Amino acid sequence: GENVEQHPSTLSVQEGDSAVIKCTYSDSASNYFPWYKQELGKGPQLIIDIRSNVGEKKDQRIAVTLNKTAKHFSLHITETQPEDSAVYFCAASKMGSGYSTLTFGKGTMLLVSP
Amino acid sequence: DAMVIQNPRYQVTQFGKPVTLSCSQTLNHNVMYWYQQKSSQAPKLLFHYYDKDFNNEADTPDNFQSRRPNTSFCFLDIRSPGLGDAAMYLCATRLGTGLHGGGNEQFFGPGTRLTVL
Repeated sequence: GENVEQHPSTLSVQEGDSAVIKCTYSDSASNYFPWYKQELGKGPQLIIDIRSNVGEKKDQRIAVTLNKTAKHFSLHITETQPEDSAVYFCAASKMGSGYSTLTFGKGTMLLVSP
Repeated sequence: DAMVIQNPRYQVTQFGKPVTLSCSQTLNHNVMYWYQQKSSQAPKLLFHYYDKDFNNEADTPDNFQSRRPNTSFCFLDIRSPGLGDAAMYLCATRLGTGLHGGGNEQFFGPGTRLTVL
């Protein structure tokens, strides 16, 4: 089955700095890679996703890059703000089936200090 | 607003006393998932439904059961909760159609935090 590794487990940055979280996956058939943000006591929320036919996707301060050959993808947050503090999960999945499921990484706790 | 609703948000039960957690959705999605999330860990998939078709993960304990009486509702039954079952339980939905046209995003509810005394 799919295995997703995520690093680092914790990341502390100063407000305004950039943050980068990296994930690797094992199943070359995976073709959908979402990133979720989970605040304390809440359910995960999708912040950005990327499909395997795209190498990069950007949404304001958030971007995701995908290297299919190396089987790794990364989340980039620029100009971090204290409200970006949360746990971030990467995941991998195979699209196209009603039975497809997500395999999550173990999460990264991001702390943005004012 | 269309959303995934979980009730209750906090549930306390006694060791061995059956408990049921509920999830409802107004998104009219085909797929519903139940996850268990323990502190500082990733969500762990327990099972999911594609319409009425039930799919159990291989390592989900028999103590956990699920029912989906209609498109909108899904229930998680824990028959004899143990101390190790204390966790956040997350429900999620996905449209489940459209190979390239979308329907891949999972929408999560706020979760039910279960305490076992």
